[in-house]
Amino acid sequence: DQQVKQNSPSLSVQEGRISILNCDYTNSMFDYFLWYKKYPAEGPTFLISISSIKDKNEDGRFTVFLNKSAKHLSLHIVPSQPGDSAVYFCAAGQYNFNKFYFGSGTKLNVKP
Amino acid sequence: ETGVTQTPRHLVMGMTNKKSLKCEQHLGHNAMYWYKQSAKKPLELMFVYNFKEQTENNSVPSRFSPECPNSSHLFLHLHTLQPEDSALYLCASSPLMNTEAFFGQGTRLTVV
Repeated sequence: DQQVKQNSPSLSVQEGRISILNCDYTNSMFDYFLWYKKYPAEGPTFLISISSIKDKNEDGRFTVFLNKSAKHLSLHIVPSQPGDSAVYFCAAGQYNFNKFYFGSGTKLNVKP
Repeated sequence: ETGVTQTPRHLVMGMTNKKSLKCEQHLGHNAMYWYKQSAKKPLELMFVYNFKEQTENNSVPSRFSPECPNSSHLFLHLHTLQPEDSALYLCASSPLMNTEAFFGQGTRLTVV
């Protein structure tokens, strides 16, 4: 049973617009959340994280929002750039344990 | 370049073969991980090593055997694999458990 779900396998956005990638989780004990970006033929690279004590974390063009009551997090990329085209994975887990669960990824295509 | 190097990048092996995947990190990290990425499925955590000690074996079949001789190297020994084991195998490391992980580029394994 998947504990972290990314229900949109793909997303296409025009350059300069906002990209919103969504992620849902089922375990209310999860208190730490991460987003990774993956280009073809490369391993995932860490993008941004958020702990459950916050509802927003911002890093440049990337902002992650956490809605604990809905068990939902989202990654906003503004403005989107063609170089952002990649697969984005969200991951969730309990900070005090050694296991994070990954979603199946959303492939973002930013069109010039 | 994330500082985590995996070799080989591609591997084709028969079901009766024995092979090993190698992972090396020069980041001074203390935790290392093996993940499996099958097509259209979430990243699956296989093994976790913390300070060279295995702390997690996520119900992985015994035909996969990890080895961590030191905190910089991690191996995954493979024997009598099945075609359904064909996947991308990713190694990752992190400074401590549950901090953001740095991934290698992965080994694309095909079992024939």
